[in-house]
Amino acid sequence: GESVGLHLPTLSVQEGDNSIINCAYSNSASDYFIWYKQESGKGPQFIIDIRSNMDKRQGQRVTVLLNKTVKHLSLQIAATQPGDSAVYFCAEGQAGTALIFGKGTTLSVSS
Amino acid sequence: EAGVTQFPSHSVIEKGQTVTLRCDPISGHDNLYWYRRVMGKEIKFLLHFVKESKQDESGMPNNRFLAERTGGTYSTLKVQPAELEDSGVYFCASSLLAGTVTDTQYFGPGTRLTVL
Repeated sequence: GESVGLHLPTLSVQEGDNSIINCAYSNSASDYFIWYKQESGKGPQFIIDIRSNMDKRQGQRVTVLLNKTVKHLSLQIAATQPGDSAVYFCAEGQAGTALIFGKGTTLSVSS
Repeated sequence: EAGVTQFPSHSVIEKGQTVTLRCDPISGHDNLYWYRRVMGKEIKFLLHFVKESKQDESGMPNNRFLAERTGGTYSTLKVQPAELEDSGVYFCASSLLAGTVTDTQYFGPGTRLTVL
């Protein structure tokens, strides 16, 4: 079946570095992509989203890039901080439907 | 504005028992979703309500799972009888309007279910 996957299960960075978390998706019908952050004991927290008619979107310290040609999604976190340590999930979907999640990447930030 | 809330936060039951999970979505949100994350795996879709109607229940694993959303407000997910493989974290999410493309889903903190 079609699913969203992440390239690396874990990523370790130093405080202040930039982090890049990657995700591959396979459903070409998906038109909405979203990144969630999940801290221990909490539910997924919305970070940023992007629609298929865009290839880049920026938020505060975060940027999402979408490459529809190779079905690739990435999340860039600038100046990573210890508070960014969490599990990051990408997800894909279509209007008003359930999301399909990837397995998650655990980001560890050391100071 | 209050976020999505779920009750209980944790539940430990024995195989064969019944458990009911509750989700209160953000007020005014028509869409309500149930998801589950089994240990080490990705978050998987279970069920989608639009108001009180089941829009999509293709993710429900079997007929031991029953979800309701009477009145289109809060929802319950009952597992009866519970099996060992039902252990995991059950998330609820809600979003504002049906059919809109930028319908961000907001998640609750989850209910951690352990079946012994």
